[in-house]
Amino acid sequence: KNEVEQSPQNLTAQEGEFITINCSYSVGISALHWLQQHPGGGIVSLFMLSSGKKKHGRLIATINIQEKHSSLHITASHPRDSAVYICAVGSGSRLTFGEGTQLTVNP
Amino acid sequence: DAGVIQSPRHEVTEMGQEVTLRCKPISGHDYLFWYRQTMMRGLELLIYFNNNVPIDDSGMPEDRFSAKMPNASFSTLKIQPSEPRDSAVYFCASSLADAYNEQFFGPGTRLTVL
Repeated sequence: KNEVEQSPQNLTAQEGEFITINCSYSVGISALHWLQQHPGGGIVSLFMLSSGKKKHGRLIATINIQEKHSSLHITASHPRDSAVYICAVGSGSRLTFGEGTQLTVNP
Repeated sequence: DAGVIQSPRHEVTEMGQEVTLRCKPISGHDYLFWYRQTMMRGLELLIYFNNNVPIDDSGMPEDRFSAKMPNASFSTLKIQPSEPRDSAVYFCASSLADAYNEQFFGPGTRLTVL
């Protein structure tokens, strides 16, 4: 069993739909990161959180430390949101990554 | 700031050759990380430095891999000799102050070993 598991692995949505990507982890962590990797390969950090909820534009990330679970939500999805979304958990300075969720938003 | 800079962006080499990947972190960042991404294994941490000192190299696959950070603005990841299974995208990232801060990733180096 992987230390970090994401679901779904692949997700296709229509423009405007509300999207949820889930991340579960099995180890103690100091922080959880959500990353976005575009088709060109570049990786961008979206959120880092250790409790509660964070919001940035149409993106919302939540974490439940007791349940060892985090969700990334995208409201009013757009084709430019198409990317791989990666959950990573930090234990000390190390990051352990999930396998990623490939999101495709169709116009 | 230009962000994290990596070079080369693409490298094609033959098995047995030495490969050197380079990284310039964001100025003022104290932590530097080297990652490898493959289809089979996803993203993996290879090694990270704090204030130019290697802290954790447990992710370095074997002795063929070595990393150095001679100063705060430059790091190298060397593979010698290279093997086809080393083909991957290698990312460098840096962060400010402590590792609980957001990490900024470079564009990556796509390495192909024939």
